[in-house]
Amino acid sequence: GDSVTQMEGPVTLSEEAFLTINCTYTATGYPSLFWYVQYPGEGLQLLLKATKADDKGSNKGFEATYRKETTSFHLEKGSVQVSDSAVYFCALSSPGNGGSQGNLIFGKGTKLSVKP
Amino acid sequence: NAGVTQTPKFQVLKTGQSMTLQCAQDMNHEYMSWYRQDPGMGLRLIHYSVGAGITDQGEVPNGYNVSRSTTEDFPLRLLSAAPSQTSVYFCASSLLGSGNTIYFGEGSWLTVV
Repeated sequence: GDSVTQMEGPVTLSEEAFLTINCTYTATGYPSLFWYVQYPGEGLQLLLKATKADDKGSNKGFEATYRKETTSFHLEKGSVQVSDSAVYFCALSSPGNGGSQGNLIFGKGTKLSVKP
Repeated sequence: NAGVTQTPKFQVLKTGQSMTLQCAQDMNHEYMSWYRQDPGMGLRLIHYSVGAGITDQGEVPNGYNVSRSTTEDFPLRLLSAAPSQTSVYFCASSLLGSGNTIYFGEGSWLTVV
């Protein structure tokens, strides 16, 4: 079945460091890909998304490119801030898995801590 | 601008008790769903609905019941709570379609003792 694998954390960085969180997926058909962020004690918020191959999603300095040839959607940010400390989830929706309705399949999440 | 509203935010239940987690959205979204979040497991789909009167099972439906009598509301019922149902529950909604943004509620922390 469809699945998402993302790098395990926790990840600890110093402020202004470069961030990469790896995400790879397995899916039938052509999924849409998402990154969600969860700040402590809160629900999930959409960070960015891409709906077709080679699309780049971007928001708040974060970027991810939908790479069909490597089935990847890695999250990057050039200079992290303390306020970026959160849990990041990679997710996909696929027509073969109820995604045409809107169902998401999530990775296990990566906790990021940014130190001043 | 309410979005997706869940209640209660925190609840402690005894094993065998029943309860209902409420979820409402004011965005006229056809799609609504419930996920549970457990440490190291990410989020897993419990049940979902694509419109009033239509529900279907997700990955982990056992022990939960749902109904969708209106577009706005999608309650999740625990019929006989078990410690394994201790989790954080998230309600979500969106327009139908795989590329649409899914909006999440703030979560309901449930402990079953």
